[in-house]
Formats: sequence, C-alpha cells, structure tokens
Amino acid sequence: GNSVTQMEGPVTLSEEAFLTINCTYTATGYPSLFWYVQYPGEGLQLLLKATKADDKGSNKGFEATYRKETTSFHLEKGSVQVSDSAVYFCALTLGTSYGKLTFGQGTILTVHP
Amino acid sequence: GAVVSQHPSRVICKSGTSVKIECRSLDFQATTMFWYRQFPKQSLMLMATSNEGSKATYEQGVEKDKFLINHASLTLSTLTVTSAHPEDSSFYICSARTSGAHEQYFGPGTRLTVT
Repeated sequence: GNSVTQMEGPVTLSEEAFLTINCTYTATGYPSLFWYVQYPGEGLQLLLKATKADDKGSNKGFEATYRKETTSFHLEKGSVQVSDSAVYFCALTLGTSYGKLTFGQGTILTVHP
Repeated sequence: GAVVSQHPSRVICKSGTSVKIECRSLDFQATTMFWYRQFPKQSLMLMATSNEGSKATYEQGVEKDKFLINHASLTLSTLTVTSAHPEDSSFYICSARTSGAHEQYFGPGTRLTVT
C-alpha cells in the first residue's frame, strides 16, 4: 500500500535557523507529492507540491525536491521565522486514486525568537 | 483562493444523540469532497470520499451506518455522526476539490466532544 513517513517531532528552532523536515514515501506507481501546513486553529493549507521526479516545489521560502531514487520529499527553509510555527504534513496522491491523499503523521515546528 | 467552510467549529453532544457537520465550498464547485478524522498529535485519517449526487465511498474500517455522508450539491456535503459515543470525540476535517484537479482545499475542522 501507499504510505508516507515523516521525521519525528516536535522540532524546536531559533529564529533564522535552517529547517529540514524529512519525508519519505512508499507508493505503487508515480505519485504527486505535497507539503501541507496547519497553523494553530486553522485548516490545512497547501504549502507546495511536485508532480514528477526532480521537480522542485517552492513557496514562502520553503522548498522540497521530488527525489524518485530515494523516494523522498524533504522540506527545507533557509531561515525560519516565528510565524512558521505550525504543524507540517507531507502527503501523496496517485493519479489512480481519484484525489485521495495519504498523509504522514505530521511534524510540529516551534520557532522561538 | 478557494475557500471551504465547516459548521459548526465546535460541538458538544450527549452520548446517544446524532450530530450533523456541514462542509461548504464557498467560491467553487466541489465535485468531490473528502472527510477526515484527526486524533490528537496524529495524522489525518481519510474516512470517506463523496462525489456529488452519488453514494460515498468509505475507507476500510469506517462504519457507513454510523458516519452518514450526503453530498447533495456541488457546494455542500454533510457528515452525520449517528448515536455518538465518547470514542467518536475527535477533530473532523473536510476537504473539497474540483473535477480533475490534484489540489484539495481544506476546511478549518470541527471539534466534536461526546459526553
């Protein structure tokens, strides 16, 4: 079956630190990959996506590259801000799954001033 | 951007009663809506997929007679938790997408507490 594994949290960083949240996946076929973010008290928002191997998704200073050879989609940001504190979810969908998303377990990020 | 709303945001009900949660796409037509359940500090678990005008498809292990889903229009889907029990207490989240699109737009969630 399909699955997504994220690094264990919570992650606590100081402002302007470098962020990496690891995500690896298992899928039958060629998935599209996503990072969603959930700010406190809000719904999930799409942060970035990549639909094929070697694509790089980017948004708001965050980046992730679709690595087929390592089945990974690690999230990175060069300099985090307090406002980046949220829960981050890696997810995948397959073209044959009619839009169904498979989520990782989520990683809580807290950024201190 | 596309907006999905949920109502209510929080609900407390007594054990044995039924609760209805609404999910609306405010500025687009949602051909498909998804219902998820999120436990504290855990990921989202897909409960069911509903397409407008047809019966919902439930994931394995989800009781369709307990979690009734109706997707009667292109902008509204409802989840009814029937004969709720304390173990049904959770955070329920819906999402919506248009036909052929990969991206789903998520509602803010509904916190259900069954006493």
